[in-house]
Amino acid sequence: DTAVSQTPKYLVTQMGNDKSIKCEQNLGHDTMYWYKQDSKKFLKIMFSYNNKELIINETVPNRFSPKSPDKAHLNLHINSLELGDSAVYFCASSQRPPGQGASPLHFGNGTRLTVT
Amino acid sequence: KNQVEQSPQSLIILEGKNCTLQCNYTVSPFSNLRWYKQDTGRGPVSLTIMTFSENTKSNGRYTATLDADTKQSSLHITASQLSDSASYICVVIFNNAGNMLTFGGGTRLMVKP
Repeated sequence: DTAVSQTPKYLVTQMGNDKSIKCEQNLGHDTMYWYKQDSKKFLKIMFSYNNKELIINETVPNRFSPKSPDKAHLNLHINSLELGDSAVYFCASSQRPPGQGASPLHFGNGTRLTVT
Repeated sequence: KNQVEQSPQSLIILEGKNCTLQCNYTVSPFSNLRWYKQDTGRGPVSLTIMTFSENTKSNGRYTATLDADTKQSSLHITASQLSDSASYICVVIFNNAGNMLTFGGGTRLMVKP
């Protein structure tokens, strides 16, 4: 199936650990994103890559490091996890960056991260 | 400051009824305005995308309208079905914000039989 897939779906870990979330899209899109959805359901952009190049880097702690080995993959590595990192993280992709035309975002189904 | 506010926060309607969800934004101009549907435990799915010059766009039983003068958009759902139960999120791409999408907090819709 064509889709944006992210793994794992659930991640429970202790404070101080390092963890990674993987994302892959087989839609042939040029742009990929990581979003964080907090407990109030607001979605906030964290990072965006276009053709493997970082184009958006919001005010995110440098414990979060995205890596795009190719334009179909955008992984998120988190060092020294904190309680406040608990949230649902969504990967998404679009044909082009949002400011370059009206191409919709296709979201993965999220990774629920719980830090204890 | 670019803001997107949605109302109501939550809504319960009976199956078969129509409903309208509201989205207000603070800054013009913008590149485009989008409505997404997010089922519980899933990622958002695009319903409509409207550019600044468009007034209405439909996708099946979903119709989005845009009034650039009052800086308002609405999403009208006709003949609601149980599967319409979800959160509906309004998203605006403001011209002064580069490539970033600004998300509203969503309206949680529950359709009851």
